[in-house]
Amino acid sequence: IAGITQAPTSQILAAGRRMTLRCTQDMRHNAMYWYRQDLGLGLRLIHYSNTAGTTGKGEVPDGYSVSRANTDDFPLTLASAVPSQTSVYFCASSARTGGSDTQYFGPGTRLTVL
Amino acid sequence: GQNIDQPTEMTATEGAIVQINCTYQTSGFNGLFWYQQHAGEAPTFLSYNVLDGLEEKGRFSSFLSRSKGYSYLLLKELQMKDSASYLCAVKSGDYKLSFGAGTTVTVRA
Repeated sequence: IAGITQAPTSQILAAGRRMTLRCTQDMRHNAMYWYRQDLGLGLRLIHYSNTAGTTGKGEVPDGYSVSRANTDDFPLTLASAVPSQTSVYFCASSARTGGSDTQYFGPGTRLTVL
Repeated sequence: GQNIDQPTEMTATEGAIVQINCTYQTSGFNGLFWYQQHAGEAPTFLSYNVLDGLEEKGRFSSFLSRSKGYSYLLLKELQMKDSASYLCAVKSGDYKLSFGAGTTVTVRA
């Protein structure tokens, strides 16, 4: 089934630990995105990638890094997790960047940092 | 930055109509999206408007007025399964999609 997968589904992490959230899409979309969703704040863009080999910073990039080695995968890494990074993380993809280009979301990863 | 406002919560009766308003202030407007998000699930695409006017898609319609920085999502013939959060998102430039905090709609029998 075509779509976006994320792993893990949920994770409890000790502060200071390193964590990589995985995202894979099989739609051959050029653009991929990482958002975090917090109650009352809506979805906020962390990092994005217009195409394989390129990445850019979104609205809340501090404490996160990404890489885009190929079209399908877009991992998000927390180098040293802090409690404020407790959130639900959604990966999304779109065929390209552009006005009408719809972003499709993965099922999310619920991360708790203690 | 972007400023996107939508009501926090709305309640309506099964079979009724509900209108969810969204106002925004943005630079480089390049379209407005509505997404539906059921609790614990991913957002799913509902509609896209870039020109003024009404876009109808089955029981759901979306309206845009660019001069007023205003959009609404109209849900007709409400069903219990329509209970969800509805997210207004404004696109600026090629990639930046800014989301409102979402409106939680509760449909009652």
